[in-house]
Amino acid sequence: AQSVAQPEDQVNVAEGNPLTVKCTYSVSGNPYLFWYVQYPNRGLQFLLKYITGDNLVKGSYGFEAEFNKSQTSFHLKKPSALVSDSALYFCAEMDSSYKLIFGSGTRLLVRP
Amino acid sequence: DGGITQSPKYLFRKEGQNVTLSCEQNLNHDAMYWYRQDPGQGLRLIYYSQIVNDFQKGDIAEGYSVSREKKESFPLTVTSAQKNPTAFYLCASSMSPGSNYGYTFGSGTRLTVV
Repeated sequence: AQSVAQPEDQVNVAEGNPLTVKCTYSVSGNPYLFWYVQYPNRGLQFLLKYITGDNLVKGSYGFEAEFNKSQTSFHLKKPSALVSDSALYFCAEMDSSYKLIFGSGTRLLVRP
Repeated sequence: DGGITQSPKYLFRKEGQNVTLSCEQNLNHDAMYWYRQDPGQGLRLIYYSQIVNDFQKGDIAEGYSVSREKKESFPLTVTSAQKNPTAFYLCASSMSPGSNYGYTFGSGTRLTVV
């Protein structure tokens, strides 16, 4: 079965420092990959996606993600973290039935 | 202003009671989805519908039921057979099955058993 792994339950980073939230996927071939962000008691908001093309994908709020086929990874990055980036982040891939399979989520805490 | 509306935001259920969560979208999306979110477990798919009058079970459908009589609406009923219904429920839609635009999510309903 397809799966998405987010190996870190929580990532802590100081404001102004770069951040990385890790994600690995399982589908072979050409995956459709997504990152979403969730603020408390809210739905998920789309950040960015990889469908095809450049391995570095740019998205909302200064986030970007790097697709690495050999490592089956799609890590979320931002050069300079803000306190307001603190939230729950989900990685997802689309399965063969066109459903999104989500990882377990990573909580990002940015300290002032 | 297009989007997905979930109601109510908070819902309390007594033991043995059925409750229905509403999900309405005005995005003209073909596909709709219900997810359950528990702390530390991410999102788990309950039911999904890719066209009107058709729906499929997801990974955790037991104790839940849905209908898709209109394109805009995909209500979820949590029945008394669902033994642990306390959770955050999220509805989502996509333009079409396989759309690479991903999903649009509602703001969720928090269900608590009292």
